[in-house]
Amino acid sequence: DAGVTQSPTHLIKTRGQHVTLRCSPISGHKSVSWYQQVLGQGPQFIFQYYEKEERGRGNFPDRFSARQFPNYSSELNVNALLLGDSALYLCASSLEVLAKNIQYFGAGTRLSVL
Amino acid sequence: AQTVTQSQPEMSVQEAETVTLSCTYDTSESDYYLFWYKQPPSRQMILVIRQEAYKQQNATENRFSVNFQKAAKSFSLKISDSQLGDAAMYFCAYRVLFGGSNYKLTFGKGTLLTVNP
Repeated sequence: DAGVTQSPTHLIKTRGQHVTLRCSPISGHKSVSWYQQVLGQGPQFIFQYYEKEERGRGNFPDRFSARQFPNYSSELNVNALLLGDSALYLCASSLEVLAKNIQYFGAGTRLSVL
Repeated sequence: AQTVTQSQPEMSVQEAETVTLSCTYDTSESDYYLFWYKQPPSRQMILVIRQEAYKQQNATENRFSVNFQKAAKSFSLKISDSQLGDAAMYFCAYRVLFGGSNYKLTFGKGTLLTVNP
């Protein structure tokens, strides 16, 4: 079975632009979470979706938004890009949102904002 | 606020030897999960081992084991018989309850492990 897949793998944008990152969860997984990993730091939680509904968001501005589709894939959108948005964006999927459910990560999308 | 602290930014070990990576965390919960993830240069976060707080027994996965000290809020990872493929960034993570019944991961800053041949 395929793992969590993310596209694109690498993206270069300029300040002020908009970006859309995509994630396909492991087959059968209904929950998707997004994390931002700045160079030299651990991942920071951005969003969690379950059954197409937002279950929570981290401390990120409204320029960040996301959605989950009926097939459980997800998009992360970032508007009005800033230099500080340059990071590795990780998607993780899990069966559900229970404490015991393991989150499996994709290889991430490396976003560079110039 | 829940925090995870990894006090060793970098560690090195000789191939075939044993190394221990440290992690401490802060929480007011009594039942929770702790994880060690490995992130090689390929960037994909790979789950190494998981510990459930209500279990007294330390988790073990082949060459990887943990020393879980609940009272001290300590969760260290021991890698035995280190291999070149173990070289990676290792992150300690804590499963945090939010929004009533949802969970997210809170990560430490990571420890970069180098394995010397």
